[in-house]
Parts: sequence; structure tokens; C-alpha cells
Amino acid sequence: KNEVEQSPQNLTAQEGEFITINCSYSVGISALHWLQQHPGGGIVSLFMLSSGKKKHGRLIATINIQEKHSSLHITASHPRDSAVYICAVDSGSQGNLIFGKGTKLSVKP
Amino acid sequence: EAGVVQSPRYKIIEKKQPVAFWCNPISGHNTLYWYRQNLGQGPELLIRYENEEAVDDSQLPKDRFSAERLKGVDSTLKIQPAELGDSAVYLCASSPPLWIGDTGELFFGEGSRLTVL
Repeated sequence: KNEVEQSPQNLTAQEGEFITINCSYSVGISALHWLQQHPGGGIVSLFMLSSGKKKHGRLIATINIQEKHSSLHITASHPRDSAVYICAVDSGSQGNLIFGKGTKLSVKP
Repeated sequence: EAGVVQSPRYKIIEKKQPVAFWCNPISGHNTLYWYRQNLGQGPELLIRYENEEAVDDSQLPKDRFSAERLKGVDSTLKIQPAELGDSAVYLCASSPPLWIGDTGELFFGEGSRLTVL
């Protein structure tokens, strides 16, 4: 069993829909990262959080440490949000992240 | 400010040939990481540097992979000889020192996509 599980693997949405991507992990962590990867390979860090909730524009990330679960929400989704969203957990050593396999999001106009 | 710069972006070689990738991290970032990402998978750590010291290379296949960061800035990752299974995207990332108050956020380069024929 993978230490970081994401769901769904693939997600297709219509422009304007509210989107939720889930991440569950089985190890103790010091922080959880949400990353965005566009076709072509570049990865951008969206959030790093260790408790509670963070918001940036239309993106919201939440984490429940007790339940070992995090969600990434996108409000009013747009075709430019189409990308692979990756959850990664830091088990304690800086940068030794354990990555999920990613959720491929496609937002149709 | 320039981000993490990697080169080449794309490389196609025949098996058994050598290949090298170069990474220039963000200025002031003392921690540098090389990751390998296979198609449809998340990145996997190959090696992590703190300044010029490799502090975690447990996942680096040392029979054919080598890396260096001689002056604690730029880094190169080399594969010799390359095998078919080495086809992947090789990602470099850096992060600033935690002691300056940062939370350990990673900054990734665009990646180097290797195809071994």
C-alpha cells in the first residue's frame, strides 16, 4: 500500500464547478505539500501546511492531522486549472518528501 | 528573481551512452534535490544535498548514477551507461535554509526529460 494515496486519479469537470482532490497518508508528518504540475514537467508549489486551512485565490487546502487526510479545493474552476495535482508529505527530514501519484484534472470550457 | 534552472530540457540517447543533467538552484538555497519522475508517477528522491554535502543518496543507483555539487551551488547528475529504464523526467529542486525562517517550501525546475532508445 502506498504511503500517500490520492483520489480521484483522474477528474474531468466543467468550467465553473467546485473541485475537490483528496489525499490520505499513513505516516507521521511534519508538513504536507500540494503541488501543481503542468504538461511539460514544471512543478509549482501551491501550499505547504501542517494544520488547519490555507487559502490562495480560488484554491483552498485543508488538513486534518488526526485523520491523516488533506483536501485541495478549487472554486469556480477554469480550463487553465487543468494540470496534475500532487500531494506530498514531509515525514520529518526536510525535503525527503513522499509523493502521491497525482490527480489529473481536466476542466472543460 | 530567476527560478531553478535545468538543462537540457530534453535529451534523447541510445542505451549504453552517457548523459548529464545540470541544475542551477535559486540563489541562497543551500538544499538541492534531484528527483526522478516516471510517467504517471510522483517524483522519487535520488539525492539531497545540504550545501556541497550529499546527506541522503540512499535511493541513488550508484552503479550507474553519480552526482556532484562541488561548490555548493550548481549540481550535475550523470548516468553512465544509460539503460532503457532510465527514461524519465529528472527534476531538480531547491529550498532555502530553515534557519532564516522559511518553512521548507520546495522550488522545482522545469525538469529534464530523458528518452533512452
